[in-house]
Amino acid sequence: TQLLEQSPQFLSIQEGENLTVYCNSSSVFSSLQWYRQEPGEGPVLLVTVVTGGEVKKLKRLTFQFGDARKDSSLHITAAQPGDTGLYLCAGYLSGGSYIPTFGRGTSLIVHP
Amino acid sequence: GAVVSQHPSRVICKSGTSVKIECRSLDFQATTMFWYRQFPKQSLMLMATSNEGSKATYEQGVEKDKFLINHASLTLSTLTVTSAHPEDSSFYICSANRGNTYEQYFGPGTRLTVT
Repeated sequence: TQLLEQSPQFLSIQEGENLTVYCNSSSVFSSLQWYRQEPGEGPVLLVTVVTGGEVKKLKRLTFQFGDARKDSSLHITAAQPGDTGLYLCAGYLSGGSYIPTFGRGTSLIVHP
Repeated sequence: GAVVSQHPSRVICKSGTSVKIECRSLDFQATTMFWYRQFPKQSLMLMATSNEGSKATYEQGVEKDKFLINHASLTLSTLTVTSAHPEDSSFYICSANRGNTYEQYFGPGTRLTVT
C-alpha cells in the first residue's frame, strides 16, 4: 500500500482543458512538495506547502494543502503542451525524518 | 541557488564491469544526499540515504554490496554499481537536502545501460 496515493496515474488532454491531480494519505505530513519531471531529466521543485489549508499559485498552477495536512492537490488551468511531463508529489511525515515519501506520479500529456 | 549536478549523464558499460556516478551540490553544502532509481514513466524509488562521513542507509531490498555509496564531503556523493548486469540498466537520480529542510534538489539523472 502506497503511503501517498497519487491519482490519476495517466492523463491525456487537449490544450486549453483544466485538470486536477490529487495526493492523498491517511498520514499527516509536516510538508509536501510538488515536482515536475521531463523525460531524461531530474525532477524540478514547483512548490512546497507546509500549512494546513494553504493555497499557492504559480501562474496557471494552483496547489492546495488539505486542512488536516493529509492530502494535496495540483490544479492546472488551460493546460498547454509545455505542461506535459511527470508530476510527483512528495511528503515528509509529521515527526519523521527528512526522508520524503513519493507518490506514484501522474504522467500528463497535453495535445496541441 | 541549490544546483545539483550528476556525472556522467549517460553511460553504457559491459556486463560485469563497474560504473561510478557522481553527485555534487554546486552552491550549497548537503548534509544528506539521496539516491533514487527510476523506471520509465514511474515514480522515484529510494535506494539509499547518504550522510557525509557515515555509512549510507539502504532501503529494504537494495543490495549494499552491489550499490556502493560514498559521501566523502558535504558536496559530493558517489554511487558505484558493481558487477553491473543488464537488469541494472535504469535512470539513476541523486538529490540533496540543503541543511535540514523539507526540500530536495535533484540532479539531472544518469542513464545507465548495461549491455
